[in-house]
Amino acid sequence: AQSVTQLDSHVSVSEGTPVLLRCNYSSSYSPSLFWYVQHPNKGLQLLLKYTSAATLVKGINGFEAEFKKSETSFHLTKPSAHMSDAAEYFCVVSAVSGGYNKLIFGAGTRLAVHP
Amino acid sequence: EAQVTQNPRYLITVTGKKLTVTCSQNMNHEYMSWYRQDPGLGLRQIYYSMNVEVTDKGDVPEGYKVSRKEKRNFPLILESPSPNQTSLYFCASRSLAGGPEDEQFFGPGTRLTVL
Repeated sequence: AQSVTQLDSHVSVSEGTPVLLRCNYSSSYSPSLFWYVQHPNKGLQLLLKYTSAATLVKGINGFEAEFKKSETSFHLTKPSAHMSDAAEYFCVVSAVSGGYNKLIFGAGTRLAVHP
Repeated sequence: EAQVTQNPRYLITVTGKKLTVTCSQNMNHEYMSWYRQDPGLGLRQIYYSMNVEVTDKGDVPEGYKVSRKEKRNFPLILESPSPNQTSLYFCASRSLAGGPEDEQFFGPGTRLTVL
């Protein structure tokens, strides 16, 4: 069965420092993986997705993620945090269920950015 | 503008009073889905629909109903709401024309409180 584990429920960084949000997945086949961001009182927005074309995936707002099959990880990074990055981030795996692909969400990581 | 809309955005109700949350998408997507978001649990799927008149249970369907009479609309019905249904609800849609990497588009969310 497919599953997703986000290793940190809360991450706090200072503005201008690097961001690392950790995600491990479990999948019996080559997965499709996503990172979504949810800003306060807003819906979910796709940051980036991995579809086996390249292991290093670049997304919007300077975020990127690296797919590491040997470690079953898909960590999200950004070189320099901005105040506007404060939000909740979800790692998601696309799993086959009932003949279609459903999304399985991690529990989320809340990112706080301090001045 | 391509979007998923939900109404109402906020709702406070009392136990047992039937309510409906509407969801509409303008992207001609076949697939639509409802999720609930609770702290520390990420998003969990309530019901989904592969096309008109085709619906099926997700992971947490108890206490909910849905219908899909038109392709663009997918209302969520709570026949007799209870306090444990207090949550943030998201509707989503995606095309089934592509593969598992296709993006799912989310509505802005409906915050429901059942007293």
